[in-house]
Amino acid sequence: AQSVTQLDSQVPVFEEAPVELRCNYSSSVSVYLFWYVQYPNQGLQLLLKYLSGSTLVKGINGFEAEFNKSQTSFHLRKPSVHISDTAEYFCASWGTASKLTFGTGTRLQVTL
Amino acid sequence: DTGVSQDPRHKITKRGQNVTFRCDPISEHNRLYWYRQTLGQGPEFLTYFQNEAQLEKSRLLSDRFSAERPKGSFSTLEIQRTEQGDSAMYLCASSPRDRSFYGYTFGSGTRLTVV
Repeated sequence: AQSVTQLDSQVPVFEEAPVELRCNYSSSVSVYLFWYVQYPNQGLQLLLKYLSGSTLVKGINGFEAEFNKSQTSFHLRKPSVHISDTAEYFCASWGTASKLTFGTGTRLQVTL
Repeated sequence: DTGVSQDPRHKITKRGQNVTFRCDPISEHNRLYWYRQTLGQGPEFLTYFQNEAQLEKSRLLSDRFSAERPKGSFSTLEIQRTEQGDSAMYLCASSPRDRSFYGYTFGSGTRLTVV
């Protein structure tokens, strides 16, 4: 069965600094990969997705992610973060299970 | 498109009581999903419907849990004889059947606290 692993439970970063949130996937078949963001006491909002084609995917709010098949990774990046990016970020995969499987999340804490 | 609506947003109940949550998906979406999210964890799949048919249930969905989608529109999730371990955020999501792999649209969730 496919799964995703988020390597960092928390990532502290200063405002305007770059950030990378790491995600590795595990699957022997093709997967579709997603990043979702969750603000406090809210549902999940889709940031971006990789289905096929270009390995660099651009999403909302200035985020992008790169699909790397050889390293089975799908890391999320932003060149300059804002205080408002403070939230929980979830990597997810869709594959043979025909439903989204989520990682445990990474808490991004942006400070001044 | 009014998005996915969940009601109530918050529910506090005493242990042993029954609770019911409602989810209204995006109107043209025929797939509806329920997930549970405990503190510090990612969402975990509970069950999903295609129209009114419940196609899959997780082993997390014990016999105290039941979900329905009687007319293929809104869905309800009922928990009987609640336990403290049921305290969590219950998330509903919907998608079109033929585009489910594009990702879901989630509601804002119902936070259940069992005291």
